[in-house]
Amino acid sequence: KAGVTQTPRYLIKTRGQQVTLSCSPISGHRSVSWYQQTPGQGLQFLFEYFSETQRNKGNFPGRFSGRQFSNSRSEMNVSTLELGDSALYLCASSLRNRDRVSTEAFFGQGTRLTVV
Amino acid sequence: QKEVEQNSGPLSVPEGAIASLNCTYSDRGSQSFFWYRQYSGKSPELIMFIYSNGDKEDGRFTAQLNKASQYVSLLIRDSQPSDSATYLCAVSAGTYKYIFGTGTRLKVLA
Repeated sequence: KAGVTQTPRYLIKTRGQQVTLSCSPISGHRSVSWYQQTPGQGLQFLFEYFSETQRNKGNFPGRFSGRQFSNSRSEMNVSTLELGDSALYLCASSLRNRDRVSTEAFFGQGTRLTVV
Repeated sequence: QKEVEQNSGPLSVPEGAIASLNCTYSDRGSQSFFWYRQYSGKSPELIMFIYSNGDKEDGRFTAQLNKASQYVSLLIRDSQPSDSATYLCAVSAGTYKYIFGTGTRLKVLA
């Protein structure tokens, strides 16, 4: 069974540009969450998508957005990139078959974004 | 107060010893608790999850949960140098939003 796949693995962008990251969850998993990981802040929750709808959102500016497709694949977009957006962006997928108890999440290898 | 707190370490233990990692959380509505291991430059890897008070064992790993005291711990028996990594505690209140601690760096000395 394939794991969570994130593309691309590495990106270098210039301030002011925008970027789109992709995540394909484990087959059968319908929940996809996105996280930003930096040395100073650790893993910070961005948002979660389930059934093509954003269900949860973290405390990030509106420059960070996402979407989910009918096959559960998800994309995250960051517009008007800032130097501080340099981070490892991780996607996690969950089965989400128990609405009142969060089941385990499995991470992809991440996309390392560098903004110069 | 941070929502999920862990001692950053490093926690150094000799090979073969028991490593004890602790995590406290602030949201009393938390229902799901997870331990992840992250090697440098890699993504987090799920080790254990626990939903109910008490102990849960899986091989050399034991997760312990005490909801009244709002802490969860991870014990690693017979620690190996390959266990050297950062261990992340994650908590969720049933919303599929996982709140992570900043992690404890474990060093197992050969």
